[in-house]
Parts: sequence; C-alpha cells; structure tokens
Amino acid sequence: NAGVTQTPKFRVLKTGQSMTLLCAQDMNHEYMYWYRQDPGMGLRLIHYSVGEGTTAKGEVPDGYNVSRLKKQNFLLGLESAAPSQTSVYFCASSGSGTSTDTQYFGPGTRLTVL
Amino acid sequence: AQSVTQLGSHVSVSEGALVLLRCNYSSSVPPYLFWYVQYPNQGLQLLLKYTSAATLVKGINGFEAEFKKSETSFHLTKPSAHMSDAAEYFCAVSVNTGGFKTIFGAGTRLFVKA
Repeated sequence: NAGVTQTPKFRVLKTGQSMTLLCAQDMNHEYMYWYRQDPGMGLRLIHYSVGEGTTAKGEVPDGYNVSRLKKQNFLLGLESAAPSQTSVYFCASSGSGTSTDTQYFGPGTRLTVL
Repeated sequence: AQSVTQLGSHVSVSEGALVLLRCNYSSSVPPYLFWYVQYPNQGLQLLLKYTSAATLVKGINGFEAEFKKSETSFHLTKPSAHMSDAAEYFCAVSVNTGGFKTIFGAGTRLFVKA
C-alpha cells in the first residue's frame, strides 16, 4: 500500500515550457487535491476533484489545468510555466471530502521555473 | 469565511522542554480543526483533529490539543520535546458549508535543541 505517490520529485523548467505532474493513490479515495506550498503562506488549494471525471477550481487555479480520467490518478498541468509558479506541489486525497475527513498527502514535487 | 492564524513562524525549544504551538481560528459556523506535521522532504501527515466530540484531543507521538471556543484557539502541546519532533506544523480549519473548504495556516517550524 503506497498511499499517495507523485511524479516527478524535482523538475526545472524554462519560462514558457509545459509539464504535467502525476498523482496516484491506491486507497480508493473519491476526493483528490492539488496544493502549492510557498514559504510563509502555508498550503493553497489549486484544483480538486470529487470523483472520476470531475474537477473544480480551488483558491489559486490560474495557470493550471487538471484532469481526473481515472479514479486513482489526478494530473496537474502547466501549459506555459512562469517563474511565479516556482513552488512545492503537493497532491492529497481523502475518502469522502467531508469537513472532518483526513487528507493523505504525497511527498511533493519541487518545481523551479527559470 | 474562515481563517487560521499560527502565532510564530519559528519556535525553538530544548530537548525535554514543553512544546506549545499556537493556533487561532476565525469561523462564523462551528469549525473542525486539524494539526498536520511535515517532516523534512515529506508530505503532511495528520497529528490530530477536533470533530466536535471531546475538546481535548490526543494525537500521535504524545501531542495533544485543546479546543477553546471562548478563545477561538486550538493550541498544540507536548510535555517533553524530542529531537525527532523537529518539523513544520500546520493548523487547519474546515467547516461544513456544503462545499469543500479547508484552510491551512502558514505553518510553524519547530526546532529542538540538544
């Protein structure tokens, strides 16, 4: 049982390049989330999904797109990377998405945009 | 709208001393509160959560937190710090408003001195 895994762990992009971050969970969770973590700002929600085939915007969605084609996978895309997107990205999942539900986090992807 | 404030971005204690990490929340409806811990180069993991049952919540690794409605606080404590407690700690608030909404604080980094 691997929990939540993220690929890749590190990536360096040039401004304008595109990339996709992959998140996979093996806990059969319905809800999945993408956050970014910046110093002094905690975690901010980018996009989330309440089930296969559904996605919704979070707090800071601009410049990102997501897809949930399979229940176990949640992809985060950057179409044209900008230096402001330099951050650590965390994927998380939860069973039901209720307010008391625990979120399970992946190890993170450290992205640098030059 | 709800919010979370963690007082002190850095806290330093000696090994064996009391750990106190402060969290205050703001919410117009009854909140659910969480403490997550992030060890270096890892994702967040749940320490404990308050879900409106007991106001004193015990978590893993000897940590506990007390929900005080009158003070709008949910401070995290541990009687005796261990070197392995060095990490970043995040307080989070979630409310049941029919939509997904969990807000994370900015985090407090705990240093433990030998």
